[in-house]
Amino acid sequence: AQSVTQLDSHVSVSEGTPVLLRCNYSSSYSPSLFWYVQHPNKGLQLLLKYTSAATLVKGINGFEAEFKKSETSFHLTKPSAHMSDAAEYFCVVSEAGRRALTFGSGTRLQVQP
Amino acid sequence: GAVVSQHPSRVICKSGTSVKIECRSLDFQATTMFWYRQFPKKSLMLMATSNEGSKATYEQGVEKDKFLINHASLTLSTLTVTSAHPEDSSFYICSARVEAQETQYFGPGTRLLVL
Repeated sequence: AQSVTQLDSHVSVSEGTPVLLRCNYSSSYSPSLFWYVQHPNKGLQLLLKYTSAATLVKGINGFEAEFKKSETSFHLTKPSAHMSDAAEYFCVVSEAGRRALTFGSGTRLQVQP
Repeated sequence: GAVVSQHPSRVICKSGTSVKIECRSLDFQATTMFWYRQFPKKSLMLMATSNEGSKATYEQGVEKDKFLINHASLTLSTLTVTSAHPEDSSFYICSARVEAQETQYFGPGTRLLVL
C-alpha cells in the first residue's frame, strides 16, 4: 500500500525567504512522486515529478525537490518565495505499475509581503 | 502540451436533477482518465478510473449508479451525477494520463452546487 504524509498543514513565509514543504511517503515498490500546486478554485498544476532518475528534481517556477530513499522523504523547496507562490501544495505518490495517485492532505503556503 | 479542460466550470441545479460534467484532453489522447472529488480545504479523493471503451472502475464507497462515467472516445470522459442532492455539492476534478510520461494532468475543476 502507498501513502503520503505532509507534515505541515500550513506554512507561512516572508516574500524573498526560502520555502520548505515537507513530505514523507510510504510505498511497497519503487514509487513515482509528484508535487502539484492548486491555486484557489483552480485545478492542479504539475510542479515536478520523480521517476527513479536523478534524485534532485527541478520543476517549474524555481521549485525543486530531493528524493531521499533512506528518509522516505520528498521535500519541496524554493530559494526565494514570491507572492504568487501562495497556494495549496499536494505531495502525491504512485507505485510502479499503478496508475492511481495517492494524495497527501496538502500544505497551504502563505507568503507575507 | 497536456492540457485538460472541463465543462462547465460551475453549475447550480435543483435537488433531484442530473448534471453532466465533461472532461476533455485537448492536445493528446488519453486511454485513462480519472475523476476526483474535493471537499473544502481537503485533499482530493479518487472516485473512479475511466477507461476508454470499457467500464469505469469505482473506488470503494462510490456509488456507480449515482456517478455515471462514460469514456466513449480517447479525448472525452463524462461524469453524470444522477438525482443530485445537496450532499453531492462539491468540487469535481478530472485528470487524464499521458502514458509516455506516466503523469496525470488535471482539469480546472467543476464546482457543483445542489440546492
